[in-house]
Amino acid sequence: DQQVKQNSPSLSVQEGRISILNCDYTNSMFDYFLWYKKYPAEGPTFLISISSIKDKNEDGRFTVFLNKSAKHLSLHIVPSQPGDSAVYFCAAGEGSNYQLIWGAGTKLIIKP
Amino acid sequence: ETGVTQTPRHLVMGMTNKKSLKCEQHLGHNAMYWYKQSAKKPLELMFVYSLEERVENNSVPSRFSPECPNSSHLFLHLHTLQPEDSALYLCASSKGDNLYNEQFFGPGTRLTVL
Repeated sequence: DQQVKQNSPSLSVQEGRISILNCDYTNSMFDYFLWYKKYPAEGPTFLISISSIKDKNEDGRFTVFLNKSAKHLSLHIVPSQPGDSAVYFCAAGEGSNYQLIWGAGTKLIIKP
Repeated sequence: ETGVTQTPRHLVMGMTNKKSLKCEQHLGHNAMYWYKQSAKKPLELMFVYSLEERVENNSVPSRFSPECPNSSHLFLHLHTLQPEDSALYLCASSKGDNLYNEQFFGPGTRLTVL
């Protein structure tokens, strides 16, 4: 059973609008959450992270929100740009552990 | 060359072949990882090496055999694979071996087992 779920395989958003990517998790022991972005033929690259002691972390156009009671996190991209078209992976883990548990990814398409 | 490199980028092999995947990092990191990504599935961690010692082995079948001769190089030796082993194999490295350290990924090796 997947501990980290990204229920939307794909998402299409108009350029300039807000993109919201969602991620749900089941393990209440997770205390660190990350988003990675992946372009075709490249490896994933780190985007933004959040610790469980926070409920929001912002970096430029990217903001991650964490709702611990709902075991839900989301990544907001605003405004969306064509270069944001990629697959976005959510990952989670416990700080003392080596292992990140990954979601299956959401393909974001930004329409001009 | 900078970052994390992987060779070959594509590999087609029969079930009786033996091949190796190579990963090299030029970032001065001391932890390296092998991941498997099957189509439309999450990344699965296979192995973790920290300071050249294997610290994680996620119940991976013995037909996959990792080797880390030094902190810059990581190999994945493959033998008698099955068609279901066809996937994208990603290598990553990080400064430390806990998950607070950002992992830097290579572009992956697309493996097809016939």
